[in-house]
Amino acid sequence: AQRVTQPEKLLSVFKGAPVELKCNYSYSGSPELFWYVQYSRQRLQLLLRHISRESIKGFTADLNKGETSFHLKKPFAQEEDSAMYYCALNYGGATNKLIFGTGTLLAVQP
Amino acid sequence: NAGVTQTPKFQVLKTGQSMTLQCAQDMNHNSMYWYRQDPGMGLRLIYYSASEGTTDKGEVPNGYNVSRLNKREFSLRLESAAPSQTSVYFCASFDFGRDAYEQYFGPGTRLTVT
Repeated sequence: AQRVTQPEKLLSVFKGAPVELKCNYSYSGSPELFWYVQYSRQRLQLLLRHISRESIKGFTADLNKGETSFHLKKPFAQEEDSAMYYCALNYGGATNKLIFGTGTLLAVQP
Repeated sequence: NAGVTQTPKFQVLKTGQSMTLQCAQDMNHNSMYWYRQDPGMGLRLIYYSASEGTTDKGEVPNGYNVSRLNKREFSLRLESAAPSQTSVYFCASFDFGRDAYEQYFGPGTRLTVT
């Protein structure tokens, strides 16, 4: 069965420090992975997809099929990055059915 | 352009009562979804609708029914609420628009069943 694991509930870093939010997945097919973000009092929104290979707000994520990982990285954290981050896997192909990890709260200290 | 809207924002039910959560999107998306989120867990898919007139079960459909009334609206009904259905419910819509992946979530409905 498909599964997404985010091992850290909370990640606290200082402003300017590098950030890595971990995500591991289990899926028998070809994975399509996403990172979603939820800022305080805002709705869940898409941050990036692995297929698009883009950098959004300085964040990047590389799919590592050998390690079944899709970690989210940013070289220099900003206070406005503080939010809840969810890793998600599309297990439904064209139907875009998603399974989410439990989320990691990123707290960037001044 | 309001995106995805949900009503109500909050609701308290007694065990056995019924209610319908409403969701609407104005982006002309084909697909719509209902997820629930429990404390300490990720979002889990309850039901989804790939297009108007079609619905299908997700991971946790028991105790729920859905209706895709038209392309805009997708409602979730609890026929006989149970305390285990206390959760935050999110509606979402999805489509590929202008070669771009578009997925949007509503603000959520916080439901408490006593």
